[in-house]
Amino acid sequence: ETGVTQSPTHLIKTRGQQVTLRCSSQSGHNTVSWYQQALGQGPQFIFQYYREEENGRGNFPPRFSGLQFPNYSSELNVNALELDDSALYLCASSPGTVSYEQYFGPGTRLTVT
Amino acid sequence: KQEVTQIPAALSVPEGENLVLNCSFTDSAIYNLQWFRQDPGKGLTSLLLIQSSQREQTSGRLNASLDKSSGRSTLYIAASQPGDSATYLCAVMNYGGSQGNLIFGKGTKLSVKP
Repeated sequence: ETGVTQSPTHLIKTRGQQVTLRCSSQSGHNTVSWYQQALGQGPQFIFQYYREEENGRGNFPPRFSGLQFPNYSSELNVNALELDDSALYLCASSPGTVSYEQYFGPGTRLTVT
Repeated sequence: KQEVTQIPAALSVPEGENLVLNCSFTDSAIYNLQWFRQDPGKGLTSLLLIQSSQREQTSGRLNASLDKSSGRSTLYIAASQPGDSATYLCAVMNYGGSQGNLIFGKGTKLSVKP
């Protein structure tokens, strides 16, 4: 069984640019959530997708947007990058069963200069 | 608003010691609580998940307990090893939120010295 994968591993962008991060969910999982983890902090919920629809959003501005595809893979897009967007971005998938256990990918480290 | 606190922020112990990590949350209306391990610069590995109706879960040398009424959970690690060195994160999922909305503490950084 393949786990959650994310690409790229590392990324360096300039302030004002746009970035797209990708996530492949674990086989059989129809729900994907994205989190932002700043250095020394716990992850913060950005949003969740369930069967290609946004199904919940945290306290992040509209320049953070996402997509989920029919195969349940997902993208996180961030426009007009700011220095504070530098963080580890984590994707988690869930089978949508009663336990709602989250399975996390290795993350994408984004640095904005 | 749910807040999750983990104490201590850092812990250093000699190999072989048993230890307890603490997690507290302000709103007892949780759906579940999950403990994770995170190695430096890496993603999260799920260790144990406790449903709101459960009191504890065990996996190998790990035991997690949940007391919803007092808003507390503990992670007990028996016979610690240097390979246990990592940051341990506690997260809760509230009732009424989306199933992806985990609320995390800041973690406890554990160092086990040989």
